[in-house]
Amino acid sequence: GAVVSQHPSRVICKSGTSVKIECRSLDFQATTMFWYRQFPKKSLMLMATSNEGSKATYEQGVEKDKFLINHASLTLSTLTVTSAHPEDSSFYICSALPIERTVGNQPQHFGDGTRLSIL
Amino acid sequence: GQSLEQPSEVTAVEGAIVQINCTYQTSGFYGLSWYQQHDGGAPTFLSYNGLDGLEETGRFSSFLSRSDSYGYLLLQELQMKDSASYFCAVSLYGQNFVFGPGTRLSVLP
Repeated sequence: GAVVSQHPSRVICKSGTSVKIECRSLDFQATTMFWYRQFPKKSLMLMATSNEGSKATYEQGVEKDKFLINHASLTLSTLTVTSAHPEDSSFYICSALPIERTVGNQPQHFGDGTRLSIL
Repeated sequence: GQSLEQPSEVTAVEGAIVQINCTYQTSGFYGLSWYQQHDGGAPTFLSYNGLDGLEETGRFSSFLSRSDSYGYLLLQELQMKDSASYFCAVSLYGQNFVFGPGTRLSVLP
């Protein structure tokens, strides 16, 4: 149980392209999903918290107009990297918290990540 | 601000026991989790401590001391497949998480 599907797993595209990444909780409902960015051999950096039915909460330094997040249902959140440039190349990972989660004592479930390469 | 510290690298041999420490300075601390990540993969949950003490899950155990703002992950009977990065993560009030810098564990034959 608690499977999170992230798609696509890898994207290679030209500079200026917009890229949409989907994060789906397959067997549970999630009011909260997180989007992380990870550089090689580095830790996960939280970009934003996505809440179903409301605007995402972005971490300091993350451009909300650059990284558009939509959480339209209890099982789907999307991250769109708009007008991507080479510096946006990274590993993007989503995670989801089950709706019935008691604060703190249940883990977030991660998708397999999306490796984005902008040429 | 929030900060977590872990050793950057640990090396051990198969069959050995290794301890990975994590110290933290955060506001609104709720609990400490541990995640394993193999190269190119996503993090997978290992253990969670919300209260002081030791939690045991098979070969992995995790410890927390809230008064010392300290925890550790203990890996026993190390196997080659345990070579990976290990992250501690603090759960904050408001359901956010902050990850430590990660510890790269290399298990040698």
